Amino acid sequence: QVQLVESGGGVVQPGRSLRLSCAASGFSFGAYGMHWVRQAPGKGLEWVAVISDDGSKKYYADSVKGRFTISRDNSKDTLYLQAISLRAEDTAVYYCARDRGWLTPETYWGQGTLVIVSS
Amino acid sequence: QSALTQPASVSGSPGQSIAISCTGTSSDVGGSSHVSWYQQHPGKAPKFMIYDVTNRPSGVSDRFSGSKSGNTASLTISGLRPEDEADYYCSSYTSSSTLVFGTGTKVTVL
Repeated sequence: QVQLVESGGGVVQPGRSLRLSCAASGFSFGAYGMHWVRQAPGKGLEWVAVISDDGSKKYYADSVKGRFTISRDNSKDTLYLQAISLRAEDTAVYYCARDRGWLTPETYWGQGTLVIVSS
Repeated sequence: QSALTQPASVSGSPGQSIAISCTGTSSDVGGSSHVSWYQQHPGKAPKFMIYDVTNRPSGVSDRFSGSKSGNTASLTISGLRPEDEADYYCSSYTSSSTLVFGTGTKVTVL
């Protein structure tokens, strides 16, 4: 069955960096685009970034452009999100999700990993 | 990339029908056939309910239906059940090749 498992969250000081991972299994990872979506505590969903199946196309929300980088390693069935210059407002649960096309996160989401940016 | 506008809360009694609106602009909802809806229970990942305005993924109850008129999309839940109590979010593909979510709506079953 399809599984997406995020890792790499934790407490990080403002201005520092963090790399999140999303390990995929149960499907042909290299055939699908992938998303990162986040949710601040008690708040709504916020789309962060998407990467195409082969990694050639990447799109970002304005709120993270220039600070976050989405990437993937299809040989390891793993999606990444590199975040630098972290701010308090980046505190959130970060989910990875599979794309069904046209930037639509579909049925398969991970359980999320919590990032807390605090001194 | 302003969030799409949804009502903060909608409520209904069991068996009733309710509708949740999702208002954007001509750069997102109005200009896109790729509007989706998600259900989220507390502490859980979102569940994919509707895609491309009107389509249901396999396994989603036909009590859930989607529509769109102009810059506003809507999710209708028919035959409301206690388990439908959750937060609901719309999303839309935008003309900038990005995705935008709605502000979210809390559905309460009275």
